Amino acid sequence: AQTVTQSQPEMSVQEAETVTLSCTYDTSESDYYLFWYKQPPSRQMILVIRQEAYKQQNATENRFSVNFQKAAKSFSLKISDSQLGDAAMYFCAYRSGHSGGYQKVTFGTGTKLQVIP
Amino acid sequence: DGGITQSPKYLFRKEGQNVTLSCEQNLNHDAMYWYRQDPGQGLRLIYYSQIVNDFQKGDIAEGYSVSREKKESFPLTVTSAQKNPTAFYLCASSKGLAGVKDTQYFGPGTRLTVL
Repeated sequence: AQTVTQSQPEMSVQEAETVTLSCTYDTSESDYYLFWYKQPPSRQMILVIRQEAYKQQNATENRFSVNFQKAAKSFSLKISDSQLGDAAMYFCAYRSGHSGGYQKVTFGTGTKLQVIP
Repeated sequence: DGGITQSPKYLFRKEGQNVTLSCEQNLNHDAMYWYRQDPGQGLRLIYYSQIVNDFQKGDIAEGYSVSREKKESFPLTVTSAQKNPTAFYLCASSKGLAGVKDTQYFGPGTRLTVL
């Protein structure tokens, strides 16, 4: 079974600085998808960024980017120019790329990010 | 605006009562999901449905039941058989297609507390 590990329960960053959140996963598959979700104090899960394993290029969404290391099974999230609104719980998630039928999404336990003014 | 709505936002239940959590989506998604979130844990899948009138158990289905009579709606009933129902419940939906298009999108959640 696939597992997703977020080894940093909490992190903090100064406003306008850059922070990197770590995520590792365990799988024997070659085709899969990886996601980062943000859960602010409102508790609604918001998709931040997603990566397809067959793409070598790292995904980027404005101030958010990933460092996808397939051989190392690592999928870290970098937040540049951190803003107060970035303070939230961040979850890393994995989904198999098998076609057809339901593919379970496995979530990590989350990293709580604090942004210091 | 397209999205997923959940109601109520907060729900209180007495022991021995069944309660139903509502989830509605107007994204025209085929697939819908229910997750439970406890402090310090990730999301755990309760039930999922890939198509109307069909649903499957997830990892922690005991004490829960669902129905999928309409594409837009996927209500979750927490029964008295659920021994520890106090938690935050999240509903999600996705297009149901393989690939990145099957990204799950979430509703705002319901906080259930057993008194």
